[in-house]
Order: sequence, then structure tokens, then C-alpha cells
Amino acid sequence: DAGVIQSPRHEVTEMGQEVTLRCKPISGHNSLFWYRQTMMRGLELLIYFNNNVPIDDSGMPEDRFSAKMPNASFSTLKIQPSEPRDSAVYFCASSAQQGGELFFGEGSRLTVL
Amino acid sequence: DAKTTQPNSMESNEEEPVHLPCNHSTISGTDYIHWYRQLPSQGPEYVIHGLTSNVNNRMASLAIAEDRKSSTLILHRATLRDAAVYYCIRRPSASGGSYIPTFGRGTSLIVHP
Repeated sequence: DAGVIQSPRHEVTEMGQEVTLRCKPISGHNSLFWYRQTMMRGLELLIYFNNNVPIDDSGMPEDRFSAKMPNASFSTLKIQPSEPRDSAVYFCASSAQQGGELFFGEGSRLTVL
Repeated sequence: DAKTTQPNSMESNEEEPVHLPCNHSTISGTDYIHWYRQLPSQGPEYVIHGLTSNVNNRMASLAIAEDRKSSTLILHRATLRDAAVYYCIRRPSASGGSYIPTFGRGTSLIVHP
């Protein structure tokens, strides 16, 4: 298995632009997590899905952030409009069951100018 | 609320054992203790997990206190490649509650040659 796949690996954009980050979880995993990591705040959970259904989105910073999981093999995290303070590394992780081992992708490094 | 407490940083010399502590005094009876590590510029990776008994694998050993309120990740012989941030988190059993897998700041391990 290729593991959790995220794209793009790097994104540089200007303030106000829409950003879409993508994640393909490991096949057969039914839980998916989006995290954001910054030096200031560490690794923060934004949202997680179980069986494609959002379970907890209390970590989503504000309405500019949205996440979808249209099927078991794909999820997106969208920021519209983006702001410089959104600059961070965004990680996607999946697990085979709710309490299971988490497998992380390599992350998407976002820079908003 | 990470629900676990770890020292901010620790230092070790190469080839020496390292004991990384974690406090999880509010752990419930069905929660597993998971350890992850994050190498520079990579996503977190799973290291080991346990419930009550001590556990060993090719990467490390995990010693869990009898009252389960604390645990220690043991690297038997530190190498320069073990320099990373180490996180301990609680994970519910598959049949347990589904709470957010929260990562605190972790412990930054510095390994001196």
C-alpha cells in the first residue's frame, strides 16, 4: 500500500485565493483526520470523519475552512479566502478503526503571501 | 486538552538508552497508550502502543505503570536518527468512546554524537 497520499506537497498562494488540499487515505481505513501544524500551536486536529461522515469539526478555525469526504478514498480541505495566518503544514491521517493506529501523510506545506 | 503531559525536551548521547516519560493520570480503563514520533520535515509515524502490559517491538519498548497513570517509551540505544519529537496520546479501544486523538507538544529528543 502506498500509504496516505496528500497533494500538493507545497502550495504558495496569495492572500484571498482559494486553496484546496487533497488526501487519499489508506484503502480500507474508515477514519480520516485533518491536522494543522505550526510552530506556535503545534499539531492541531481540525476535523475528523468516520465512515465518510464528519464527526467533530470543532477544531476548524472559522467559516473560511471546509472539509468534505465524498467517498471512502478521497477527502478535501478547502480554505476560501486564504489568509497569511493560514500558512502551516496540513496533515491528513487515517486509521482502520476509531481507536487504531494513525497513519499520516507527508503533509502539504501551505504558504499564503 | 491533550490529556497527556510530557517534558518539552530531553537530551541523550548516541548509543545510550533514552527513557521518555508521559503522564496520563486521567486515563480510562479502555484507553490504549499510543506513541508517535515526528522526524524533521515528515509526518508523525507510529512507534508503539499498549494497554496494560509492557510491549516491545523493533523500534522501542513501552513500559506502562501498574496504575496506568504514566508510561515510558524506551529507546534502548539512541542513534542520531532518533532525534525527533515524540508524542504520547490516548486512543480508545475499538469498542470504546470516540474522542479526538489530541497531540500535545510532545518531547523534543536531542541526540548528541
